Amino acid sequence: QVQLQQWGAGLLKPSETLSLTCAVYGGSFRGYYWSWIRQAPGKGLEWIGEMNSSGRTNYNASLKSRVTLSVDTSKNQFSLNLTSVTAADTALYYCARRTTVMTPFRYWGQGVLVTVSS
Amino acid sequence: ELVMTQSPATLSVSPGERGTLSCRASQSIGTDLAWYQHIPGQTPRLLIYDASTRATGIPDRFSGSGSGTEFTLTISSLQSEDFGLYYCQHYNNWPLLSFGGGTKVEIK
Repeated sequence: QVQLQQWGAGLLKPSETLSLTCAVYGGSFRGYYWSWIRQAPGKGLEWIGEMNSSGRTNYNASLKSRVTLSVDTSKNQFSLNLTSVTAADTALYYCARRTTVMTPFRYWGQGVLVTVSS
Repeated sequence: ELVMTQSPATLSVSPGERGTLSCRASQSIGTDLAWYQHIPGQTPRLLIYDASTRATGIPDRFSGSGSGTEFTLTISSLQSEDFGLYYCQHYNNWPLLSFGGGTKVEIK
């Protein structure tokens, strides 16, 4: 059974860097596509970016200048860094997996609430 | 930019009634569309993929239809556990993807 477990700092001040990690258990890390998705309060789901297990990345254009995705295949983990956060980055952040670029997300992490407040 | 638009924003339905949710794509996406259920406090759950295929373990009261730019998710007889948020998502425009704004299904 594939499980995605996330962690990271839940409270940040404006201008700080958001850092989250997602670990994959019970399944292969290689050969899949790994995304970060967020949901701001009262808003819908927003795709942040994606990385394959080889390290190739694609980003939402609206966040591209502030986002970095990375992967540690030795630990079956991938990470999100979002720089210069503001209150608008307050959201529930999810990691998710899909099999190919033409498939949906079957597996999701439990979500981490990140609040940006001074 | 491929934009997904869902309607209505809120759907008020009594338990046992049928609920119909719509999703429109700004350009044709064939059948490269998924529906997710998101109950607050829970992880989003894949319901439908390829516009009309139920994911593993999804009850048959959930059905999807459509192609091109117009898609529908139908819940034939709403149960108490079905109330929550529903999103459509395209995966036709790699390397980009996006979700619709969501439909909240609430108890009437």
